[in-house]
Amino acid sequence: SQQGEEDPQALSIQEGENATMNCSYKTSINNLQWYRQNSGRGLVHLILIRSNEREKHSGRLRVTLDTSKKSSSLLITASRAADTASYFCATPETSGSRLTFGEGTQLTVNP
Amino acid sequence: DSGVTQTPKHLITATGQRVTLRCSPRSGDLSVYWYQQSLDQGLQFLIQYYNGEERAKGNILERFSAQQFPDLHSELNLSSLELGDSALYFCASRSADRGRGGELFFGEGSRLTVL
Repeated sequence: SQQGEEDPQALSIQEGENATMNCSYKTSINNLQWYRQNSGRGLVHLILIRSNEREKHSGRLRVTLDTSKKSSSLLITASRAADTASYFCATPETSGSRLTFGEGTQLTVNP
Repeated sequence: DSGVTQTPKHLITATGQRVTLRCSPRSGDLSVYWYQQSLDQGLQFLIQYYNGEERAKGNILERFSAQQFPDLHSELNLSSLELGDSALYFCASRSADRGRGGELFFGEGSRLTVL
């Protein structure tokens, strides 16, 4: 089973609204990463948050991490139609080698 | 452009056949990861190589094999193909700079269709 589980599986909003996606994971981590995938394309790294960080910002992205609840959230503010994509959280194995990805949230931003 | 190159982009073949997918990592990256993405299984880790050596193995079938060559490019060989092997196969590489925290750079994938 996947280490990370995203919620919701699908989200449809209007341009200008904020989009929030959640990720839960099972084991201890040293960082959590979020990736974006446009339909049929390769994944693109968005942001990484370390286990000793609680919040991180990058442009219109805001990521939070709650290690006590083993959960993270990705907030996209003032969404645009171009934000339409699937968003995945990913966590590294303890050894730090491979990343395990969640099932993803399909975000649709309607113009 | 991530700097990771995968070929071919699309491949259509028949059951029982064998195909080879190729990946060139970003310049300077020593690690190569292979992932399979299908509709019902999500993104599944297959195998990782580091500087020519296998480092980690995931849900890779015995019909599949991979290797990383001295020039650091990698190949994923899929044999005795079945309909269920139809998927997007991604290669990713990781920066050698540990300070990057393990960010992966993905290629655009090879879409395999088995008929």
